[in-house]
Amino acid sequence: DAMVIQNPRYQVTQFGKPVTLSCSQTLNHNVMYWYQQKSSQAPKLLFHYYDKDFNNEADTPDNFQSRRPNTSFCFLDIRSPGLGDAAMYLCATSRAGDDYEQYFGPGTRLTVT
Amino acid sequence: AQSVTQLDSQVPVFEEAPVELRCNYSSSVSVYLFWYVQYPNQGLQLLLKYLSGSTLVKGINGFEAEFNKSQTSFHLRKPSVHISDTAEYFCVSTHGSSNTGKLIFGQGTTLQVKP
Repeated sequence: DAMVIQNPRYQVTQFGKPVTLSCSQTLNHNVMYWYQQKSSQAPKLLFHYYDKDFNNEADTPDNFQSRRPNTSFCFLDIRSPGLGDAAMYLCATSRAGDDYEQYFGPGTRLTVT
Repeated sequence: AQSVTQLDSQVPVFEEAPVELRCNYSSSVSVYLFWYVQYPNQGLQLLLKYLSGSTLVKGINGFEAEFNKSQTSFHLRKPSVHISDTAEYFCVSTHGSSNTGKLIFGQGTTLQVKP
C-alpha cells in the first residue's frame, strides 16, 4: 500500500545533541510537510516543500532545518535540541492542486534528556 | 483570517450511544473542511472531507458530517460509538487560494467512549 513512513518511531536525544528525523513516501506526492505536535495540542506546521521549493513558517525557530534530497524523502534536522523541543513530529504529504487532503505518517516521538 | 473552533475539548459517551462533535469555522473565502482522527501515539487519519456538492458527507468507520454554510458549522456525528472510537478528533479547514492548501486546525476534541 502507498504510504508515508517515519523513522524512527521513538527517538531519544540529549540536550544540545543534533538529531535527524526521517520521512519517506511511496505516494509520489510533490508536497511534503513537517509538523510539531506537543501534548494535547493540534499539530503546528514547521515548514513544507513544494517539489524542491522550501517554505518556512514565519515562527519556526532557526534550530529546525529540513532537507529534501528527492521526491520520496524528507528530513527534519534539529541542530541543538532543547527540552522544549520534546514532541511528536509528524510528516505529511499531498498532491498540489488536488483536493488538499494531507496524508500523515505515524509520527516520531522525540524525547530530550 | 481563517479559523476553526471545536466547541468541546472532551466528550464522554457510553458505548453504543450517539455522538456529535461540534465544529465551527470562519472564512471569507471558499473553504474546504476535513475531520481527522488521531489514535494515541499515531499520526492523523482522514475520516471525511467536504469540498463541494452534497452537504452531508459520509466517511469511514460510520462517521458523517454536515456542512452548514449559514451556521458556518461542520459537526461530526456517529449514531452508535464503539470503544475503539476513543481518540482525538480534529476539525480542519483550508482554502483553495494556493496549491499547497495550508491546514488550519481546531483545538481538538477528545472522544472518550465508556463501556
